[in-house]
Amino acid sequence: ELKVEQNPLFLSMQEGKNYTIYCNYSTTSDRLYWYRQDPGKSLESLFVLLSNGAVKQEGRLMASLDTKARLSTLHITAAVHDLSATYFCAVGNMDSNYQLIWGAGTKLIIKP
Amino acid sequence: DVKVTQSSRYLVKRTGEKVFLECVQDMDHENMFWYRQDPGLGLRLIYFSYDVKMKEKGDIPEGYSVSREKKERFSLILESASTNQTSMYLCASSTGTPPRQYFGPGTRLTVT
Repeated sequence: ELKVEQNPLFLSMQEGKNYTIYCNYSTTSDRLYWYRQDPGKSLESLFVLLSNGAVKQEGRLMASLDTKARLSTLHITAAVHDLSATYFCAVGNMDSNYQLIWGAGTKLIIKP
Repeated sequence: DVKVTQSSRYLVKRTGEKVFLECVQDMDHENMFWYRQDPGLGLRLIYFSYDVKMKEKGDIPEGYSVSREKKERFSLILESASTNQTSMYLCASSTGTPPRQYFGPGTRLTVT
């Protein structure tokens, strides 16, 4: 059974600092997604990672994938208040082209 | 832009009532999903549909049913609402390879 674990689940940090959110998954998968959710709003797709060593970057966010370790990281560089949100990773279920298995989410608060 | 809309942002129902949650997408996506989101549990898949009139159970289908009579519309039905169905309900649609899910704004349902 595919399970997805994120850590930390809650993170409070100062503006200007760097930090990393981790996403571990338990069985082989061919795709991994990162999403962002602002309070009271819907989920927004950030990145799709498909292969070992894949790296995607947008602004201060960079996501990477290590399929051998079954680990993805979401790195935040020089955090700004606008990045405060809950971040979810989701892993594709190899038994289904449609299903994603979701992590519990990391609530990130960035203080000015 | 993909647009996924849900019929209500907030809903309050009484125990035992039949509840309908509607979701409409405007991008001709084949796949549609219903999730519930609870704090600390991430997103859990209730049902999904990969074509009109086709449906498959997700991880937590008990107490729910769905209907997809038209490609753009996917309905979630709570036959007899119970208090443990109080939650945020998210609808999503997807297409393409790899499939990327696009989410609606969510319906916060309270069952009293």
